[in-house]
Amino acid sequence: SQQGEEDPQALSIQEGENATMNCSYKTSINNLQWYRQNSGRGLVHLILIRSNEREKHSGRLRVTLDTSKKSSSLLITASRAADTASYFCATDSGAQKLVFGQGTRLTINP
Amino acid sequence: DAGVIQSPRHEVTEMGQEVTLRCKPISGHNSLFWYRQTMMRGLELLIYFNNNVPIDDSGMPEDRFSAKMPNASFSTLKIQPSEPRDSAVYFCASSLALRWGDRPLYEQYFGPGTRLTVT
Repeated sequence: SQQGEEDPQALSIQEGENATMNCSYKTSINNLQWYRQNSGRGLVHLILIRSNEREKHSGRLRVTLDTSKKSSSLLITASRAADTASYFCATDSGAQKLVFGQGTRLTINP
Repeated sequence: DAGVIQSPRHEVTEMGQEVTLRCKPISGHNSLFWYRQTMMRGLELLIYFNNNVPIDDSGMPEDRFSAKMPNASFSTLKIQPSEPRDSAVYFCASSLALRWGDRPLYEQYFGPGTRLTVT
């Protein structure tokens, strides 16, 4: 079964707006990662946040982690058409393998 | 540097035929993962290797699926015989272990995938 569950399943916003996606998981983790998948392509690693970190930034991306609630959020600020993709959270519980959620499909409208 | 390389990119075959998917991981990576992605089931981990040794194959659907990693630069995923329900995109990924204290961190690098259609 999937460890991470993303919410919402689909999100459509206007270019320039901020997009927020959430991820919930069930067991304790070493770190949580976010990946992006463009249509017809493989997944691309975006950002990793360790279990002892609460917030991390990378360019227009901001990730938060609340281990007490077993949840994470990915914020994309000032969205662009090129951000249209599916976004997946993946949890690393120390077994080396990652467990991916079902993903959020993000559409940025021009 | 070349990323993860997969071949073929597309495969169309008839039910009952053998299918072999190939993967070349990023040089220097010591872990390799095979995933299957469908609309219904999302991204599923089939099997992964560490230092060419299979570690966890609990995601392999059934005996029709087998995977090998004869050396650090090559892996295959074989389906024999193939069935229409095997139609999916199959991804290979390799990982680089980044040490953080005594806890390794793994970022996975995905190949472009093989789109398999079994008719």
